[in-house]
Amino acid sequence: GAVVSQHPSWVICKSGTSVKIECRSLDFQATTMFWYRQFPKQSLMLMATSNEGSKATYEQGVEKDKFLINHASLTLSTLTVTSAHPEDSSFYICSARPLAGRFDSYEQYFGPGTRLTVT
Amino acid sequence: QKEVEQDPGPLSVPEGAIVSLNCTYSNSAFQYFMWYRQYSRKGPELLMYTYSSGNKEDGRFTAQVDKSSKYISLFIRDSQPSDSATYLCALHTQGGSEKLVFGKGTKLTVNP
Repeated sequence: GAVVSQHPSWVICKSGTSVKIECRSLDFQATTMFWYRQFPKQSLMLMATSNEGSKATYEQGVEKDKFLINHASLTLSTLTVTSAHPEDSSFYICSARPLAGRFDSYEQYFGPGTRLTVT
Repeated sequence: QKEVEQDPGPLSVPEGAIVSLNCTYSNSAFQYFMWYRQYSRKGPELLMYTYSSGNKEDGRFTAQVDKSSKYISLFIRDSQPSDSATYLCALHTQGGSEKLVFGKGTKLTVNP
C-alpha cells in the first residue's frame, strides 16, 4: 500500500518547450504533496509544497513562474516546467503525505521520480 | 554550516559486514529523524523513523539518535548485496513545517 506514481518516468524535450509531470497517490488521499529536485550525486532539494485547492509554497530560489504546480485533487499534483533549459535537466521526485487513517500521516511516501533531459 | 551533514562516501564493504552510516545536524529544533534508502534512479523509501534519543531496531537495521550531540546513525548488520543503495538521513522539526531536510546521502556498495 501507500503507492505514489509519477508519469512520465523519463522525458526528453527541446530547449524552450514545456513539460508536465504528474504525481498521483494511488491508494490514499493526500492534502499535501511535495516536489523535490535531485541533481546527480546530490541530495533531494525541496522545491515546493503543494496543498490541495490552494497555491503552492515555493522554497527560496525556486521560480514559481517557471515551475508551475497544480494540486487539483486529493490524489493528483502536477509540476510543469515551462520554457525548459538544459540546466533544468534533473531527477524530479514527488512525495505525498496521507490524510490520517490507513497510513501514517507523519510519513511522506515518495514517487519513483521523473528524469528530465532538456536538449 | 549546512543544516544536515552526511558523508557521501562511497562506502564499500564485504557481505556480512556491519555498516555504520551517520549524519550530524546543527538545528536543535529537529525532532524527527528518518533514514531513507534510494536505489539508483528510484524514489526514496522510508527505512526507519525515530523521535527520541536512543536506539530503535528493525530486523538488521538499528537507528540511533543522540540529540545532545546532534548525531544520528544507521547500523546495518549482516549486510547483503541487496543493501547496496544510497542512504539518506532526513530530519524535520516538531509541528508547523512539514519540510524534510535531507542529508546528501551515502552511497553504499556491499560486495558478495
